[in-house]
Amino acid sequence: QQQVRQSPQSLTVWEGETTILNCSYEDSTFDYFPWYRQFPGKSPALLIAISLVSNKKEDGRFTIFFNKREKKLSLHITDSQPGDSATYFCAAMRDNAGAKLTFGGGTRLTVRP
Amino acid sequence: GGIITQTPKFLIGQEGQKLTLKCQQNFNHDTMYWYRQDSGKGLRLIYYSITENDLQKGDLSEGYDASREKKSSFSLTVTSAQKNEMAVFLCASSIGGGYAEQFFGPGTRLTVL
Repeated sequence: QQQVRQSPQSLTVWEGETTILNCSYEDSTFDYFPWYRQFPGKSPALLIAISLVSNKKEDGRFTIFFNKREKKLSLHITDSQPGDSATYFCAAMRDNAGAKLTFGGGTRLTVRP
Repeated sequence: GGIITQTPKFLIGQEGQKLTLKCQQNFNHDTMYWYRQDSGKGLRLIYYSITENDLQKGDLSEGYDASREKKSSFSLTVTSAQKNEMAVFLCASSIGGGYAEQFFGPGTRLTVL
């Protein structure tokens, strides 16, 4: 059973639009949720992260919204750019589990000019 | 700053063969990880190590062995390669466990004939 799920699997938007990527999780003991971005042919890198104490985390054009009651997160990318085209992974961990990070299956985003 | 080096970049093996992948980091990070990424899929944790000589199993440890020879290096062995197996193995490191950002290496692409 996949503990972290992402939707959609792939998404295409036009330049300038707002992109919304969804993530949900099963385990209520997860308390930290980083998002990693992977450009084609490259390795993943941390983009933005949120913890259980926050409902929202913003970094430039990237914002995470967190609904703890429903165990759902969403990553919003405003003014999407072709350079944002990449695969976005939602991940989850719990502090008392050492360094173990559980990744979702990813959403492949394409931004068309 | 620092870098993570993975060798080899490409690995071609035969069914049943034992194959070893190596990872070196010069961040002076305590924790190191091995992930498997299948084409178009998310990352699955194979093994991680919180400190030298420590080993922790991830969700996908069956069929693999790992060794943390020293703080800067972490090896992964595929104990018996499966025919038609194809995946990228990513090594990562972080300054500690818990919520620390994970930095990824460039990957080793495995093909089993």
